[in-house]
Amino acid sequence: DADVTQTPRNRITKTGKRIMLECSQTKGHDRMYWYRQDPGLGLRLIYYSFDVKDINKGEISDGYSVSRQAQAKFSLSLESAIPNQTALYFCATSDPSDGSEAFFGQGTRLTVV
Amino acid sequence: QKEVEQNSGPLSVPEGAIASLNCTYSDRGSQSFFWYRQYSGKSPELIMSIYSNGDKEDGRFTAQLNKASQYVSLLIRDSQPSDSATYLCAVNPRDSSYKLIFGSGTRLLVRP
Repeated sequence: DADVTQTPRNRITKTGKRIMLECSQTKGHDRMYWYRQDPGLGLRLIYYSFDVKDINKGEISDGYSVSRQAQAKFSLSLESAIPNQTALYFCATSDPSDGSEAFFGQGTRLTVV
Repeated sequence: QKEVEQNSGPLSVPEGAIASLNCTYSDRGSQSFFWYRQYSGKSPELIMSIYSNGDKEDGRFTAQLNKASQYVSLLIRDSQPSDSATYLCAVNPRDSSYKLIFGSGTRLLVRP
């Protein structure tokens, strides 16, 4: 099993719908992240969390919300999906005792029509 | 100015050649630097990490860091077609509390 698991892997949803992307990890890391990737724009940080009670906005948090249900679970919600939120979404974890590198989930390809 | 900058490419090299990928960053106090490889539609995977000035070698890969010039590079020796991918540079800025800032990536194409 993957250390960082995202569900669903692919999703097509309609404009205005609420959708949740889920992430769970078995690495025991405190830090978790949600990134969005668009062609030519690299990875952009949406939200990050350093523990269950510490959640922070990244550079593109508008239109998104998150929930850290447990150390191992970090969910991203689109309250009212719009077409320009069509992208590839990645969850990641890191830990300074593990070199601060990020470990990524397999990604969720989201299409908003 | 973007915090982490990379040339988008594509960088095209023949099989067996050395591929040189470059990255500059804006925060002079940055401490940790990473190179990730990403195949199309897949998640990024860590290739190299480097924390101090100089070179770090791992197999066919060498990372080079120059903090004075705010520059980090990745050399791939004996490039193979399987190395064709997008390479992402990532940096921990000084004030980041360990979050990573990514460049937009350089697409590498290794011609057989």
